[in-house]
Amino acid sequence: AQSVSQHNHHVILSEAASLELGCNYSYGGTVNLFWYVQYPGQHLQLLLKYFSGDPLVKGIKGFEAEFIKSKFSFNLRKPSVQWSDTAEYFCAVATSGTYKYIFGTGTRLKVLA
Amino acid sequence: EAQVTQNPRYLITVTGKKLTVTCSQNMNHEYMSWYRQDPGLGLRQIYYSMNVEVTDKGDVPEGYKVSRKEKRNFPLILESPSPNQTSLYFCASSPRAPGQGTYSNQPQHFGDGTRLSIL
Repeated sequence: AQSVSQHNHHVILSEAASLELGCNYSYGGTVNLFWYVQYPGQHLQLLLKYFSGDPLVKGIKGFEAEFIKSKFSFNLRKPSVQWSDTAEYFCAVATSGTYKYIFGTGTRLKVLA
Repeated sequence: EAQVTQNPRYLITVTGKKLTVTCSQNMNHEYMSWYRQDPGLGLRQIYYSMNVEVTDKGDVPEGYKVSRKEKRNFPLILESPSPNQTSLYFCASSPRAPGQGTYSNQPQHFGDGTRLSIL
């Protein structure tokens, strides 16, 4: 069965620290990859997405992610986090064969001012 | 304004009392889905719909029903709610289903969520 793994469940960083959140998926076919962010009490918002082409994608608010096909990974990065980045981050995969979206369990990020 | 609207936002009810959570989108999207969000489990897809009168099970469909009689609406029905269905529910829509040709790579738009407590 297809699955998405986010290995970091809770991350605490100080402002200006660099961030990398891991995301691995299991599916051998064509995938569309997403990172969503959920600020406290809000709905999910798209940070960035990958479908094809350049494996390094840039999103909103200074976030970027790199698709490494050989590792089935789509890690999220930000060079310097801010207090306002405190939120929960979800990696998601859409597979062309199943018409479904599969989400990871999420990573709670807390940035200390 | 493009949006996905869910109602109610909060509901406390009792076991066995049928309830419906409504979802409406104004973007003429074909694909709609329902998720539940539980701590430590992330979002899990309950049901999805690829178009009017076309629905299918997601990963956790037990205890839920859906219907898609109109393109804009996709209600979630709990015929006999139980405490294990206490959760935060999100409706989402996108232009097409994943892998379904043009615009199929567009992301989902999410509603604001419905927090459901079943006693």
